[in-house]
Amino acid sequence: DTGVSQDPRHKITKRGQNVTFRCDPISEHNRLYWYRQTLGQGPEFLTYFQNEAQLEKSRLLSDRFSAERPKGSFSTLEIQRTEQGDSAMYLCASSLSTNGLGFFGQGTRLTVV
Amino acid sequence: QQQVKQSPQSLIVQKGGISIINCAYENTAFDYFPWYQQFPGKGPALLIAIRPDVSEKKEGRFTISFNKSAKQFSLHIMDSQPGDSATYFCAAVNGGYSGAGSYQLTFGKGTKLSVIP
Repeated sequence: DTGVSQDPRHKITKRGQNVTFRCDPISEHNRLYWYRQTLGQGPEFLTYFQNEAQLEKSRLLSDRFSAERPKGSFSTLEIQRTEQGDSAMYLCASSLSTNGLGFFGQGTRLTVV
Repeated sequence: QQQVKQSPQSLIVQKGGISIINCAYENTAFDYFPWYQQFPGKGPALLIAIRPDVSEKKEGRFTISFNKSAKQFSLHIMDSQPGDSATYFCAAVNGGYSGAGSYQLTFGKGTKLSVIP
């Protein structure tokens, strides 16, 4: 499988707990994006990396959210002190810098109870 | 501020019919316009994309029409099939064609398409 891989697919956590998601992009893609999608809405941009550098963050990305991409390969998205409003599908996408069209993973469905 | 407006919210089409979904954008910095298809529980999958210097692009049963002056673009699905039943998102990319932007996608709110036999 050479697509974008995300883990876990589903996560149920109690409010106040920390969670971490992982994304493995398509190997030759140097750009990696995180999006959040709530029910009935389109995905919303959170942040993106070019190689290991985090170049842009949305104002949606509060200080409880942190993303890393060590060595420019896989990426992690951590949410600290989860709130019920964090419940959503977290999508990772990767692309080549030549056209920007992102290829998405299957997403991680987060439910905060 | 919704930068990409999509309509209709839902669409029911008879098998074999034409499905038409419309989008309008505001930001003139957008320079690449993809459409994504999403099935329940899955991530969006790239269907087709168009550059702003092209008025129409066709791939199989899927056609994008683009009107730069009106800042509008649409997806036509010809000979719609039950397997096409999914949610469709239009999107716009800042810098996707010029190579000068962040390439982040701005999505519409989606159209849920149901193709009935």
